[in-house]
Amino acid sequence: AQSVTQLGSHVSVSEGALVLLRCNYSSSVPPYLFWYVQYPNQGLQLLLKYTTGATLVKGINGFEAEFKKSETSFHLTKPSAHMSDAAEYFCAVRGQSRATNKLIFGTGTLLAVQP
Amino acid sequence: DTEVTQTPKHLVMGMTNKKSLKCEQHMGHRAMYWYKQKAKKPPELMFVYSYEKLSINESVPSRFSPECPNSSLLNLHLHALQPEDSALYLCASSQGRARGLADTQYFGPGTRLTVL
Repeated sequence: AQSVTQLGSHVSVSEGALVLLRCNYSSSVPPYLFWYVQYPNQGLQLLLKYTTGATLVKGINGFEAEFKKSETSFHLTKPSAHMSDAAEYFCAVRGQSRATNKLIFGTGTLLAVQP
Repeated sequence: DTEVTQTPKHLVMGMTNKKSLKCEQHMGHRAMYWYKQKAKKPPELMFVYSYEKLSINESVPSRFSPECPNSSLLNLHLHALQPEDSALYLCASSQGRARGLADTQYFGPGTRLTVL
């Protein structure tokens, strides 16, 4: 069965510092992986996704993630944090069934950006 | 355009009320989803419609009743809810099975529901 683990429920960085949010997955088939961001009192916005092909995926707002099969990881990074990046971030893996598009979410990481 | 709209933004209802949540997309997507999200938790899948047919019901209580009148609209009818049903209800849509494993879900802004 598919699953994702997000290490660190809370991450705090200073403005301008590197952002690193960790996601490890478990999958018996090649995984399809997603990062979503949720700003306070809003819905989820797709940041980026890995399906096949290039393992370094670039997303919106300067975020990127690298799929590392050997480490079963899909960590999210951004070189320089902005105050506007403060939000909840969810890693997700697509479920195994080809018939249904079920997303399996991690527990989320709340990113705080200090001035 | 990847917009999914939801109305209302906020809803307060009593335990004896009947209300409905509405979701709309005009991206030609053929799969639509309802999620429930409690504070500081990830979204939990409730229902999936594929080509206007209910394909997944995640053992949701019957006081929640989904409806898909056409490929652009998704409703969630609420009746006799409990205070523990208070949550953010999110709608999502995706292209559907024609897109295969790369199918991507796009979420609406949600309806914040409070049950008194």
